[in-house]
Amino acid sequence: KQEVTQIPAALSVPEGENLVLNCSFTDSAIYNLQWFRQDPGKGLTSLLLIQSSQREQTSGRLNASLDKSSGRSTLYIAASQPGDSATYLCAAKDQETSGSRLTFGEGTQLTVNP
Amino acid sequence: KAGVTQTPRYLIKTRGQQVTLSCSPISGHRSVSWYQQTPGQGLQFLFEYFSETQRNKGNFPGRFSGRQFSNSRSEMNVSTLELGDSALYLCASSPTGGSYNEQFFGPGTRLTVL
Repeated sequence: KQEVTQIPAALSVPEGENLVLNCSFTDSAIYNLQWFRQDPGKGLTSLLLIQSSQREQTSGRLNASLDKSSGRSTLYIAASQPGDSATYLCAAKDQETSGSRLTFGEGTQLTVNP
Repeated sequence: KAGVTQTPRYLIKTRGQQVTLSCSPISGHRSVSWYQQTPGQGLQFLFEYFSETQRNKGNFPGRFSGRQFSNSRSEMNVSTLELGDSALYLCASSPTGGSYNEQFFGPGTRLTVL
């Protein structure tokens, strides 16, 4: 059974800092890994999707990498801003399960201080 | 293109009652998945519907059920509500629910059971 872990659970940084969020998964047989952002009490916003054949994806100040062999993904946020404050979730799409089922980590709560 | 919509956004019910939540996927998307999010358990998969058929089901009791209509809109029903059912219920849509599809989430329905 797939398990997804995110470290750290919470992170507080000053504005302008570059930071890395970590996601690890126990079963490397995945189709893809997706990173989401969630603001308090809101739904999930898709940030980046990395297919299993890819090593990284970039969108603006965000860069996500995937290393299937080690069961790890990282989300790099450059030049952080207060508006980046949110919970960041990663989710794996297993090869073992059919359809759209995702396995989520617990999330990293990010606070960027002005 | 409009995103995933969920109605109602907030619900307050009492124990023993039943509730129906609705999800309209992005136009053209045929797969709808439902998740329950609680502080203690995180995001947990409930079920997925594709072409009006349940394709995948998580580990929830039979009180949780769903259906999908021919226009891909989906409803989720919870009968005999318990206090522990208080949660944010999120739905996600994808074009075909294929293994490589990106998934898009709605804003959620906040259910409070008193």
